[in-house]
Amino acid sequence: DTVLTQSPALAVSPGERVTISCRASESVSTLMHWYQQKPGQQPTLLIYLASNLESGVPARFSGSGSGTDFTLTIDPVEADDTATYYCQQSWNDWTFGGGTKLELK
Amino acid sequence: QVQLKESGPGLVQPSQTLSLTCTVSGFSLTNYNVHWVRQPTGKGLEWMGVIWTGGSTDYNSALKSRLSISRDTSKSQVFLKMNSLQTEDIATYYCARDDNNYFDYWGQGVLVTVSS
Repeated sequence: DTVLTQSPALAVSPGERVTISCRASESVSTLMHWYQQKPGQQPTLLIYLASNLESGVPARFSGSGSGTDFTLTIDPVEADDTATYYCQQSWNDWTFGGGTKLELK
Repeated sequence: QVQLKESGPGLVQPSQTLSLTCTVSGFSLTNYNVHWVRQPTGKGLEWMGVIWTGGSTDYNSALKSRLSISRDTSKSQVFLKMNSLQTEDIATYYCARDDNNYFDYWGQGVLVTVSS
């Protein structure tokens, strides 16, 4: 199985820039996707194929990376971005990272 | 518009079989793959399996011996059956549409509890 490791919980102030990392145990090319999940809600797609912004998602969100190292960036962070963020790979079946909980100060 | 909705019993007895239905609208099951994903309360997401547009399936190796996914295209429904349920199977179960290997639409999820 391809294991995805994410950075632990983060706390940032509104208006700041935040980067959330995801490292794969093997290369997944650019078959990496990012989801946002707010409490009590289903996940929603933010970024697909490493760097493509899903329709309707604010341009404050961006993704980068290839191979084993990937990053989700939010700039600037807004209060509504409080959520858990998951990376997911689709190179070898599908697996999710453990999630990064983003809190605002 | 695209919608997916999970349904099924919220309570299953230990060792019994879980049966869930995902009813979709706004797209055809012959054009899009559909996945099942589960999430224990307060924990992360676990991919369970997929039914492809052609009707074949793939499963998470950890669940393969207990899991079955099928569909009825005429009713736009995808079914999940998992046997020998235990407390570690307590989770919210989601179905999701696959658009080029990422999940662009998700159902609202259904919470399943295992208890006698």
